[in-house]
Amino acid sequence: QLQLQESGPGLVKPSETLSLICTVSGGSVSSSNYYWGWIRQPPGKGLEWIGSIYYSGSTYYNPSLKSRVTISVDRSKNQFSVKLSSVTAADTAVYYCARHLYSGGSHTDYWGQGTLVTVSS
Amino acid sequence: QSVLTQPPSVSGAPGQRVTISCTGSSSNIGAGYDVHWYQHLPGTAPKLLIYVNSNRPSGVPDRFSGSKSGTSASLAISGLQAEDEADYYCQSYDSILIGSVFGGGTKLTVL
Repeated sequence: QLQLQESGPGLVKPSETLSLICTVSGGSVSSSNYYWGWIRQPPGKGLEWIGSIYYSGSTYYNPSLKSRVTISVDRSKNQFSVKLSSVTAADTAVYYCARHLYSGGSHTDYWGQGTLVTVSS
Repeated sequence: QSVLTQPPSVSGAPGQRVTISCTGSSSNIGAGYDVHWYQHLPGTAPKLLIYVNSNRPSGVPDRFSGSKSGTSASLAISGLQAEDEADYYCQSYDSILIGSVFGGGTKLTVL
């Protein structure tokens, strides 16, 4: 059974960089059948796709976040990660890592439990 | 303001049938992009309910069904149960925004 687990700081200061890692177990980030991505949910708001990555390293980002986001994959550790720079309070959210089946509007069949990241000084 | 529009809330009594709409435009649902639906309970990971418009993953009861027509899609839940009380989100792809987009979510209350 595939499992995804997010990890990283729960508190980030404004203007700094948010960094999260997703550890995949029961499956491989090196599989050519899937994409791996990040989705977030600000408190009291809906879901927002952040971006996705293919095992080859090809990335796809939400245009509204593209200038601040970097998603990468570490095949040796079976992990992928997200970095979001110059954060503000608006980036406070529960961040989920997830698996997609294709790049353009695919459904997400597996999700991590989510991790709350608060941006505050 | 979400690209896909959902009603903020719907409600129904146990055993009844409810539908949740997801209205898009010619750059997303109307362009033929797939629509997916998720059930989200607070504090848990969202769960895939319907994928590619009308397909159910294994383990999802056939009380849940999805459809798509024109620039809209719908999720229907029949035989409402108390455990269905949750937030529901639709998702598609938008060719102008060049990425996945979600609806604002609909809170289902089982009366």
